[in-house]
Amino acid sequence: AQSVTQLDSHVSVSEGTPVLLRCNYSSSYSPSLFWYVQHPNKGLQLLLKYTSAATLVKGINGFEAEFKKSETSFHLTKPSAHMSDAAEYFCVVSPTSGTYKYIFGTGTRLKVLA
Amino acid sequence: NAGVTQTPKFQVLKTGQSMTLQCAQDMNHEYMSWYRQDPGMGLRLIHYSVGAGITDQGEVPNGYNVSRSTTEDFPLRLLSAAPSQTSVYFCASKRAGTTNEKLFFGSGTQLSVL
Repeated sequence: AQSVTQLDSHVSVSEGTPVLLRCNYSSSYSPSLFWYVQHPNKGLQLLLKYTSAATLVKGINGFEAEFKKSETSFHLTKPSAHMSDAAEYFCVVSPTSGTYKYIFGTGTRLKVLA
Repeated sequence: NAGVTQTPKFQVLKTGQSMTLQCAQDMNHEYMSWYRQDPGMGLRLIHYSVGAGITDQGEVPNGYNVSRSTTEDFPLRLLSAAPSQTSVYFCASKRAGTTNEKLFFGSGTQLSVL
């Protein structure tokens, strides 16, 4: 069975400093992995996805994530945080073949300090 | 292009009342789903559908009913609301086929059950 663990429920960074949001996954096969962002009182928006084409994935707004199979990780990074990055971020693992049950992490709330 | 539209945005119910949350998409997506979002628990799948007339249960289906009579609409029914159903509800859709297609989310319905 698949699972996904977001290691930090809250992360605070200063504006202009790097962002690291951590995600570990468990899967019996090679999954697709996603990061979604949710700004306050909004729906979720796709930041980036990994589908086995390349281990380093670039997304919108300067975010990127690296798939590391040996560490079963898919951490999200950004070199320099902006105030507009303050939001909740969800790591998601795709379902097994034949099902449609996407598994969401519990979320990481990113706070950006001026 | 409207995408995924949810109504209402806010709703307050009394225990035991029934109501229907509406979800419509105009992208001709075969797959539609309902999630609930609770603090610290991420998004949990309630029900999903892979086409008209086809529905299946997710992780937390108890207390909710769904039907899919058209490709566009996927309503979620609360038969007898309980305080435990106080949550934010999201509808999401995607094309069928591969599991690496992104989900499109509505803007959510905030439900309070008193």
